[in-house]
Amino acid sequence: DTEVTQTPKHLVMGMTNKKSLKCEQHMGHRAMYWYKQKAKKPPELMFVYSYEKLSINESVPSRFSPECPNSSLLNLHLHALQPEDSALYLCASSLQPQGADTEAFFGQGTRLTVV
Amino acid sequence: GESVGLHLPTLSVQEGDNSIINCAYSNSASDYFIWYKQESGKGPQFIIDIRSNMDKRQGQRVTVLLNKTVKHLSLQIAATQPGDSAVYFCAENPRGSNYKLTFGKGTLLTVNP
Repeated sequence: DTEVTQTPKHLVMGMTNKKSLKCEQHMGHRAMYWYKQKAKKPPELMFVYSYEKLSINESVPSRFSPECPNSSLLNLHLHALQPEDSALYLCASSLQPQGADTEAFFGQGTRLTVV
Repeated sequence: GESVGLHLPTLSVQEGDNSIINCAYSNSASDYFIWYKQESGKGPQFIIDIRSNMDKRQGQRVTVLLNKTVKHLSLQIAATQPGDSAVYFCAENPRGSNYKLTFGKGTLLTVNP
């Protein structure tokens, strides 16, 4: 199994809603990541989890709350988002977390629209 | 500041031709580079990587060249096919960065049949 699975594929939410994005991998990877990608732009790193602990938060607003319940799962909890938060949210994982020569595998993303 | 960028935002080629996508980087501490392919509506897909102790690496129909002197990276795709149409990103991982992959702007490759 070499997949990173993200659900849902599409999500439309109001600015007062609370929703969660989910990510799962069964490759035994110990690092997991959330990226945000706006149209025609490269992915931008949001969070890094290393051995289930948050190791990097790229100054992301608190309306985005990550969670890593175990080594295979990564969630992104969303609350009180703004329309400008609409984007493709990508989850990725890699075998090793620290500056190692190891590629990140990406999921297909969740297309989020905030109305 | 440090950045990873691309020389050409778009590239259009004929089916069967070879494609070359370029990338410039400015962080001399970068020691690992990856090329990703992203098709419309999908996540980035790993193509090939190269470490800074190498100048060239070949995969199936793809070759990555690294010129550390001028901080330049290129991806060569042989016999380009319509299925190669996508946005291609280079990404760098500076040494000791705790795996903060930094992506370049991306190049849209269009293959004409």
